[in-house]
Amino acid sequence: QKEVEQNSGPLSVPEGAIASLNCTYSDRVSQSFFWYRQYSGKSPELIMSIYSNGDKEDGRFTAQLNKASQYVSLLIRDSQPSDSATYLCAVIYNFNKFYFGSGTKLNVKP
Amino acid sequence: DAGVTQSPTHLIKTRGQQVTLRCSPKSGHDTVSWYQQALGQGPQFIFQYYEEEERQRGNFPDRFSGHQFPNYSSELNVNALLLGDSALYLCASRTPDSSYEQYFGPGTRLTVT
Repeated sequence: QKEVEQNSGPLSVPEGAIASLNCTYSDRVSQSFFWYRQYSGKSPELIMSIYSNGDKEDGRFTAQLNKASQYVSLLIRDSQPSDSATYLCAVIYNFNKFYFGSGTKLNVKP
Repeated sequence: DAGVTQSPTHLIKTRGQQVTLRCSPKSGHDTVSWYQQALGQGPQFIFQYYEEEERQRGNFPDRFSGHQFPNYSSELNVNALLLGDSALYLCASRTPDSSYEQYFGPGTRLTVT
């Protein structure tokens, strides 16, 4: 069974702090990894994709991938109340099947 | 540039009935996937369509079927509805490139009573 594991949270951080969201996956063959943000009652919105080991930065967001440890993370710098949402980690298996974690709820307190 | 669109937005059905949900992919996208998202859970992959054929399927029963049309739009059909089919149904589309990045529509909220 392919699995993507995330801490359900909630993760609470003060405004301006760094939020760190983590995800582990079970299949060493996986090659593509994604972070989605989902506001309550809305559909998931793609934030970042990462395909190779290391860091990938996009504005206030940094995705980190460690394939040896089967671990992918998302850092949000200078967190804002508008970042409060559920963050979903997604992994592709067999080139076409997306598997999602259950998401981590982030609360950014003003 | 219109994104992924889905219809209807909300739907209420009775157990045993059949439902059809519709999706139009983002312009330039040719691959459509369908997901079921129960409350508090991540999206669960139902199936993917490419070139009007089902290319991959998740662990869903045959009551769930689909179709893709020549204009890349897609339908999801669910027969013999169960209470447990109540969920947000999401359609996602992506380009034919190798990035595998996919973008979601707003979803259809299905309630089975």
